[in-house]
Amino acid sequence: TQLLEQSPQFLSIQEGENLTVYCNSSSVFSSLQWYRQEPGEGPVLLVTVVTGGEVKKLKRLTFQFGDARKDSSLHITAAQPGDTGLYLCAGVRDDKIIFGKGTRLHILP
Amino acid sequence: GAVVSQHPSRVICKSGTSVKIECRSLDFQATTMFWYRQFPKQSLMLMATSNEGSKATYEQGVEKDKFLINHASLTLSTLTVTSAHPEDSSFYICSAARVPYEQYFGPGTRLTVT
Repeated sequence: TQLLEQSPQFLSIQEGENLTVYCNSSSVFSSLQWYRQEPGEGPVLLVTVVTGGEVKKLKRLTFQFGDARKDSSLHITAAQPGDTGLYLCAGVRDDKIIFGKGTRLHILP
Repeated sequence: GAVVSQHPSRVICKSGTSVKIECRSLDFQATTMFWYRQFPKQSLMLMATSNEGSKATYEQGVEKDKFLINHASLTLSTLTVTSAHPEDSSFYICSAARVPYEQYFGPGTRLTVT
């Protein structure tokens, strides 16, 4: 059973479009992190959200933690080719970090 | 700040041999280091957690005698894949944490066992 479900698994859109990817669970997490990973490299931490309902912005990226701390979303405004990559969410629970399977995003120029 | 390096970045070895992968936190002291394995187009699977000076804690299903982890200092952890077989071929990634759950990942090591 996958504790963290990410959707969609794959997304290919045109440059300039907006998109949202989701990270859902039936479990409560003490915090949730989003990472971006490029091929052949390690993941890079984008943000950590801790409080239910918390919203954090990183330039064109907006991250939200669900009120019940079970889910999160990542919204990208005016996507750029440089946003292409694998986006991983990771939940912290019971002293463990659990990764979702990721959303593979491809922005077409 | 918070740079983590891995060496080697790529390694090819013959079946039956052992391979050591190093993970270093370059500009901070890491209380905890983690080792992950990632199959193509899949997410990261935690293999083990190690704290400096103590034995590593392995995840269920990970053979501790096959994947030897040594965390000799606050800046260095090593993963040795012993008696490697082709099914051990994978992308191995380490991460280092200076505060709980603030992990910084290394660039990964691509292991190919022939």
